[in-house]
Amino acid sequence: KAGVTQTPRYLIKTRGQQVTLSCSPISGHRSVSWYQQTPGQGLQFLFEYFSETQRNKGNFPGRFSGRQFSNSRSEMNVSTLELGDSALYLCASSPSGTSDTQYFGPGTRLTVL
Amino acid sequence: AQRVTQPEKLLSVFKGAPVELKCNYSYSGSPELFWYVQYSRQRLQLLLRHISRESIKGFTADLNKGETSFHLKKPFAQEEDSAMYYCALSERAAGNKLTFGGGTRVLVKP
Repeated sequence: KAGVTQTPRYLIKTRGQQVTLSCSPISGHRSVSWYQQTPGQGLQFLFEYFSETQRNKGNFPGRFSGRQFSNSRSEMNVSTLELGDSALYLCASSPSGTSDTQYFGPGTRLTVL
Repeated sequence: AQRVTQPEKLLSVFKGAPVELKCNYSYSGSPELFWYVQYSRQRLQLLLRHISRESIKGFTADLNKGETSFHLKKPFAQEEDSAMYYCALSERAAGNKLTFGGGTRVLVKP
């Protein structure tokens, strides 16, 4: 099976802009989670979607949002970008259930200037 | 709230020496514990999870609920074990949200 794919792999934006990142999970996986990775804060959970519904949400401001489509593909959106949003954004998919093994994508590197 | 702590940011060992990565957690419920690994230029991947009680690539980890620890051990380190290791916790019946520790970089010297 093909692994988790994320597009684009790199993005450069300026403050105040918005951005949309995309994630395609492994075929058959229904859960998609998003994480932010920075040198200072490490890996932090953003949110999880399962069957098009947000199942969990991390401690991030409302500027961070996401959605999941009927084919399990997911997008996350960040509005009004700030310099501190520069990070590697990782997507992970799981078959379903809870406490599943998660399969990670390569990430999208977002730079905010 | 749950928390995962990996006290060592860097562990440097010689090939053939034992290696132990420490992981402590705080969580009031019954957690699921994982070790994820990221090799150079590769994506983050599962190494092992406590519920499977397997040995993967010679690594083992035992969940000690009394000490709230989940240390990762390997008796004889190999150069290919050089990587970034993350301990992570998931709450049962709470989806797939993972809380990660800060990570430990392991460098195995020849």
